[in-house]
Amino acid sequence: AQSVTQLDSQVPVFEEAPVELRCNYSSSVSVYLFWYVQYPNQGLQLLLKYLSGSTLVKGINGFEAEFNKSQTSFHLRKPSVHISDTAEYFCAVSGYTNAGKSTFGDGTTLTVKP
Amino acid sequence: GAGVSQSPSNKVTEKGKDVELRCDPISGHTALYWYRQSLGQGLEFLIYFQGNSAPDKSGLPSDRFSAERTGGSVSTLTIQRTQQEDSAVYLCASSSSGTTFGDEQFFGPGTRLTVL
Repeated sequence: AQSVTQLDSQVPVFEEAPVELRCNYSSSVSVYLFWYVQYPNQGLQLLLKYLSGSTLVKGINGFEAEFNKSQTSFHLRKPSVHISDTAEYFCAVSGYTNAGKSTFGDGTTLTVKP
Repeated sequence: GAGVSQSPSNKVTEKGKDVELRCDPISGHTALYWYRQSLGQGLEFLIYFQGNSAPDKSGLPSDRFSAERTGGSVSTLTIQRTQQEDSAVYLCASSSSGTTFGDEQFFGPGTRLTVL
């Protein structure tokens, strides 16, 4: 079994400030980790993913995430946010051996204020 | 190229009626997923198809829910005798070979179902 916990349901931040969206997971097997973003009135799209190798993963729009196996975390960060980053962000995990089923967190709403 | 499409985009139905939701995945993608997104909540896994293998139905909430995938392409999610708690956005996604291999899922725009 696997689960994902997004620790913050809402994160308000001012434009040009740094942001971190937290994600913890649990799994009995090795995992792949994903962050997806859902902009207002749009579908989900992939921001970045961790498969193996370097634990620091860079994605689109200046976002990056760091895989920490000992802390079972995959926090998403951006050093300076824009108004256009306002969206819902979902962390997801899929196991190497669970036939493709992914588990998503409940989402974090990032609101960037001017 | 064409992405994942879903129809209808909105569906309003009366309690007790049956509904069918359609998903057209990206051409050539072997894996197809259905999720349910309720207001203020995350994505709830419903069912997963991978090629010709038996689908993983472990997320279907009750026997009123069923899904099929014809010819390895189009999928239909059917909800029988709809209840008000079925109201949600139903999302379909596809990937080239399944997330077991770390593949990205491509999502459709969703069908918003409202049960009165």
